[in-house]
Amino acid sequence: NADVMQNPRHLVRRRGQEARLRCSPMKGHSHVYWYRQLPEEGLKFMVYLQKENIIDESGMPKERFSAEFPKEGPSILRIQQVVRGDSAAYFCASSTNDRGYEQYFGPGTRLTVT
Amino acid sequence: DQQVKQNSPSLSVQEGRISILNCDYTNSMFDYFLWYKKYPAEGPTFLISISSIKDKNEDGRFTVFLNKSAKHLSLHIVPSQPGDSAVYFCAATSQGGSEKLVFGKGTKLTVNP
Repeated sequence: NADVMQNPRHLVRRRGQEARLRCSPMKGHSHVYWYRQLPEEGLKFMVYLQKENIIDESGMPKERFSAEFPKEGPSILRIQQVVRGDSAAYFCASSTNDRGYEQYFGPGTRLTVT
Repeated sequence: DQQVKQNSPSLSVQEGRISILNCDYTNSMFDYFLWYKKYPAEGPTFLISISSIKDKNEDGRFTVFLNKSAKHLSLHIVPSQPGDSAVYFCAATSQGGSEKLVFGKGTKLTVNP
């Protein structure tokens, strides 16, 4: 599949539970970016990863959020002890090594915290 | 601190006419600009981009203009079609850094038949 894949598309969690969001980049892409979109807002950068490395996590909240992109398998965005304010659409994007600024987005995961 | 601003939340245009979407930025380190189109419940789709060394880039019905001195860019769609109705996001980045994209809040374009 040539597209950026994200799953699940929709995720409902109760307050205090953990949320795991997965992203498989486009074939041939080695860079993964995670963005979050709150209602009526633009997308906000969270973290940029390459295989086994976090390159820039300046947009990640300091607590409860973590991300990884292992040598094998998808990138994972993990949110521990979710709160209502974590409800948002989370988008993953991928790019090639030499054109990192041209990012292609997945369909997003809509997280709802009840 | 909104580094990329799209001051018009919405725009309504008649089919066949020109749509002009505007975007302003404040960070002079930005040197690459992109426009994305987004339908509800879908991810943003890359439309067109422009490097700061250019002032215009064209791709079919879409043209992006960049005015570096004014820190302003615009997306022209001509002729507009009903299928163009979507939210359009302007994004900016600095090449050579982490290349994270900084997005505006979007403009909802409605093209009326």
